[in-house]
Amino acid sequence: DAGVIQSPRHEVTEMGQEVTLRCKPISGHDYLFWYRQTMMRGLELLIYFNNNVPIDDSGMPEDRFSAKMPNASFSTLKIQPSEPRDSAVYFCASTDQPNYGYTFGSGTRLTVV
Amino acid sequence: RKEVEQDPGPFNVPEGATVAFNCTYSNSASQSFFWYRQDCRKEPKLLMSVYSSGNEDGRFTAQLNRASQYISLLIRDSKLSDSATYLCVVNPEGAAGNKLTFGGGTRVLVKP
Repeated sequence: DAGVIQSPRHEVTEMGQEVTLRCKPISGHDYLFWYRQTMMRGLELLIYFNNNVPIDDSGMPEDRFSAKMPNASFSTLKIQPSEPRDSAVYFCASTDQPNYGYTFGSGTRLTVV
Repeated sequence: RKEVEQDPGPFNVPEGATVAFNCTYSNSASQSFFWYRQDCRKEPKLLMSVYSSGNEDGRFTAQLNRASQYISLLIRDSKLSDSATYLCVVNPEGAAGNKLTFGGGTRVLVKP
């Protein structure tokens, strides 16, 4: 299995630009999670999907953030417009059994200048 | 109070020694517990689940104390490759929940 695949691995963008992060979960995993990691706040859950439906987006910081899952094999996290405080590592994770833990992708390191 | 709290460390450990550290959680309804390992600039990876009766995986032993609401991880015969950040992870919503909450991590440095 290829694992959870995220792209791009690194993204540097200017403040105000739109950023789109992508994730392909492990085949057969019907739960998908987006986390953000910073030194100050650690790993924070942004949103999660079950069977492509957003279940809990209470962690999404503000309206500038949006996430979609158009099908079982693809999800996007979009930031528009981006701000320097959005700089972080964004992880996607998937599982078929939440109570047995998640598998994380390699993450996207976002820098907004 | 944070949902999951950990001593950030670092714990400086001589190679071959034993190190142990705890994590506390705030929600008594929590039912699923895990330890994840995260290497520098890498993704978190599941190290082991933590069961009520305690469990062991090679040199690693995890314990759960529900009364005091903490879990622990013990590493015996530490190897240089054990140097990492160890994340305590809890499902705070019990059986009905699907979200995992991560602690800030405990950094362990194993030195020759």
